[in-house]
Amino acid sequence: DAGVIQSPRHEVTEMGQEVTLRCKPISGHNSLFWYRQTMMRGLELLIYFNNNVPIDDSGMPEDRFSAKMPNASFSTLKIQPSEPRDSAVYFCASSLVGANVLTFGAGSRLTVL
Amino acid sequence: KNEVEQSPQNLTAQEGEFITINCSYSVGISALHWLQQHPGGGIVSLFMLSSGKKKHGRLIATINIQEKHSSLHITASHPRDSAVYICAVYNDMRFGAGTRLTVKP
Repeated sequence: DAGVIQSPRHEVTEMGQEVTLRCKPISGHNSLFWYRQTMMRGLELLIYFNNNVPIDDSGMPEDRFSAKMPNASFSTLKIQPSEPRDSAVYFCASSLVGANVLTFGAGSRLTVL
Repeated sequence: KNEVEQSPQNLTAQEGEFITINCSYSVGISALHWLQQHPGGGIVSLFMLSSGKKKHGRLIATINIQEKHSSLHITASHPRDSAVYICAVYNDMRFGAGTRLTVKP
């Protein structure tokens, strides 16, 4: 298994541009999580899905952030418009609902200039 | 104030030493998760536990729900254990700030 696949690994963009981060969970996993990590705030849960349905999006910072999971093998996290304070590493992780282990992707490092 | 407190923030040990990292939380939780983040940034899930103790190789995690406290122990530490160790608590997935461990040969 290739693990959780995130793309792009690195993105540099200008303030105001739309950013789309992508995640392919492990086949068969039915929970998917989006996290953000910054030096100031550490790791934060943004949103998670069970069986493609958003369960808790209370961590999504504001309306500029949106996440979708159109099917079991793909999820996107979109920021529109992006701002410099959105610069962070965004991690995706997947698991089986109720399982004891999460598998993390390698992360997408976003820099907004 | 972060409701999940980890200690110590930084820890340097000699190879072979027994390591203990602590996590205290102030809210009621259903489970606690220990993560390991390597210097390259990758994150690995180590344990999720809701009671008692779990062991995997040289790693042992314990939790005391009544005392709202968990510990991660590493026996016979090795330089490859050098990483940041992060605890996260459910229900609302709050994270500790992490403990940076450096094991010297």
